Amino acid sequence: EVQLLESGGDLVQPGGSLRLSCAASGFSFSSYAMTWVRQAPGKGLEWVSAISSSGGSTFYTDSVKGRFTISRDLSKNTVNLQMHSLRAEDTAIYYCAKVGDPSALLLYYFDDWGQGTLVTVSS
Amino acid sequence: DIQMTQSPSTLSASIGDRVTITCRASQSISTWLAWYQQKSGKAPKLLLYDASNLESGVPSRFSGSGSGTYFTLTISSLQPDDFATYYCQQYKSYSPWTFGQGTKVEIK
Repeated sequence: EVQLLESGGDLVQPGGSLRLSCAASGFSFSSYAMTWVRQAPGKGLEWVSAISSSGGSTFYTDSVKGRFTISRDLSKNTVNLQMHSLRAEDTAIYYCAKVGDPSALLLYYFDDWGQGTLVTVSS
Repeated sequence: DIQMTQSPSTLSASIGDRVTITCRASQSISTWLAWYQQKSGKAPKLLLYDASNLESGVPSRFSGSGSGTYFTLTISSLQPDDFATYYCQQYKSYSPWTFGQGTKVEIK
C-alpha cells in the first residue's frame, strides 16, 4: 500500500522559511516523479512543484520560483520542499503526491496523495 | 499556461441521477486529462486518467470522454458517496500542470 506522510507545516511570519517533508513507502520510490500540490483555504487545487524520479529535473509554478526548492533523498525515501520568503498567499494545505506513470516524460498526473500539511503565513 | 475551465461550478442532483461535468482546455491537450474527487477535509483521489481510463478500484459508474479541448466526467447513477468536489487536470507536458477550478456536487 502506498503511503505518503507529510510533515513540517506550521504558522510562520511573512518573510519566514519552512521545510516540508514527505515520507514515502509502499512503492519503488526511485522510479517515480513526485510533486507538491497546494490548496488555499476554501479554494481549488494548485500545482506547486515537481521533481523527476532521479532528482535531476525540477519544476516550479511561477509564483514560487526562486523562493521554493524541491529535493528528494533516495536513501530515505523522502521528498522535501524548502520554502523561503513566505507570503500570506502561500497559506494552504500542502499535499505530497506521487506521479502516476513512472515511464511518462512530463505527462504528470497524480495517483496517490498524502493527507496534507497546513502552512499558515501570518503575523 | 493552459487554462482549464469547468462547468458548472456547483451542481445539485439527487441519488440515482445521471450527472455530467464539463472541462474545457484553452488549447488542445489531446487526451492528457485526469479527473479527481475531493471530499471535504480529505486529499484528492484520482478517478480517471488519459481522459477515459478508470483508475483501479474506482466504481464503473464513473466514466470520462473527450479529446482536444473538450472533456466530460459522467456519473451514471449518483450515489451518496459521490457528493464531493471534482477537479480536472491537464498534463500535456510541462505547461505547468493545471487544474480546473472545481465542480461541487451537492444534494438536491
